[in-house]
Amino acid sequence: NFMLTQPHSVSESPGKTEIISCTRSSGSIASNYVQWYQQRPGSSPTTVIYEDNQRPSGVPDRFSGSIDSSSNSASLTISGLKTEDEADYYCQSYDSSNHHVVFGGGTKLTVL
Amino acid sequence: QLQLQESGPGLVKPSETLSLTCTVSGGSISSSSYYWGWIRQPPGKGLEWIGNIYYSGSTYYNPSLKSRVTVSVDTSKNQFSLKLSSVTAADTAVYYCARQAKYSSGWYDFDYWGQGTLVTVSS
Repeated sequence: NFMLTQPHSVSESPGKTEIISCTRSSGSIASNYVQWYQQRPGSSPTTVIYEDNQRPSGVPDRFSGSIDSSSNSASLTISGLKTEDEADYYCQSYDSSNHHVVFGGGTKLTVL
Repeated sequence: QLQLQESGPGLVKPSETLSLTCTVSGGSISSSSYYWGWIRQPPGKGLEWIGNIYYSGSTYYNPSLKSRVTVSVDTSKNQFSLKLSSVTAADTAVYYCARQAKYSSGWYDFDYWGQGTLVTVSS
């Protein structure tokens, strides 16, 4: 199994841009899709990015996803930060060698 | 609109078996396009995948929990279930059930989640 490593916490001001990273420990980041979830306190997670860079309907285009093979990582970029974006964000991928789901440890985003 | 709802005891004694059921409404659990999964989240901590099941009964488990986990499906009731044996305080968590779409070479995101149910392990 591989691991997905995220920063524990990040903070930025409203209107700015924040990039949250998710680094895969082994194997290529490009070999399986990466998803990103937003979780507000007391709520279930919801998808903000799937298939590396696709946005579900209803997710603002301020949210975007990408992968970088050189750093073997995925990134979630949130532009024009709003206080409502304050939440925990989790990356998730799939280990095709054993049909396992892998979650990153989560990143707490503070918008202040 | 698809809905998932977890049900089961909120308190389990140490060494006993935790049992939860997820009832799916607004769609069929027998769809060939999806897996059905259990994910948990200890208080103040991150998400941990427990396992997935296909409507045919094929299962995949987190290796760290595999020896204690059983996930089963009842297509007649549109439900799937989780059993976790020999629980300890470390198994105290919010338990979520969710749907995960599959494609030719893998699985997509968990696109529908239940509201989650807190299970506390305590005597």
